[in-house]
Amino acid sequence: QSVLTQPPSASGTPGQRVTISCSGSTSNIESNYVYWYQQLPGTAPKLLIYRINQRASGVPDRFSGSKSGTSASLAISGLRSEDEADYYCASWDDSLSGVIFGGGTKLTVL
Amino acid sequence: QLQLQESGPGLVKPSETLSLICSVSGGSVSSSTYYWGWIRQPPGKGLEWIATIYYAGNTYYNPSLRSRVTISVDRSNNQFSLRLSSVTAADTSVYYCARQAWGSKGEFDYWGQGTLVTVSS
Repeated sequence: QSVLTQPPSASGTPGQRVTISCSGSTSNIESNYVYWYQQLPGTAPKLLIYRINQRASGVPDRFSGSKSGTSASLAISGLRSEDEADYYCASWDDSLSGVIFGGGTKLTVL
Repeated sequence: QLQLQESGPGLVKPSETLSLICSVSGGSVSSSTYYWGWIRQPPGKGLEWIATIYYAGNTYYNPSLRSRVTISVDRSNNQFSLRLSSVTAADTSVYYCARQAWGSKGEFDYWGQGTLVTVSS
């Protein structure tokens, strides 16, 4: 069981806006940065969002990140078929002194 | 363009030691701006951070794996390595190496393609 909790699945139709949540605690999300990774089938994860809301190089502005207290969210607007992938949140945990990942959310574009 | 490439045996017997190397090109493991890490992903499951190293030798380990893991850096060959001892079937995973931004814990900005290691007799 992951320290960061994500819904196992999410879905939307092309053009819609979808949000993926990531729930943590005071020792991780509340007191540290949050990162988001996209993993397309059969490929390595790719950094999407760093330091809560900064888009990595080449990431379209359809992707945005936010944080409030012990939770974080990834929003994808103008959903496209190529966004169908697994999405993972990550953070540093002060109690564990290590990097932790969420369990991942499989996004389906209907 | 920075590239990372994992290499090592694809099959390891139970109770033996898994050894992997990550070769870095287009950048230097001796950079003071970055750390270097290993992450793994069991088939069909999520990501798990294993360990991180800084060129000066500072190391950081996942507490759940600390007793079995060693990460090291070879600056002369621009590589870093992972050793995981006493492996079991639960260690079967795709193992990724990645560059980790200094001062931005959790930020892995470049990844290798990953290598599948199966633990089986």
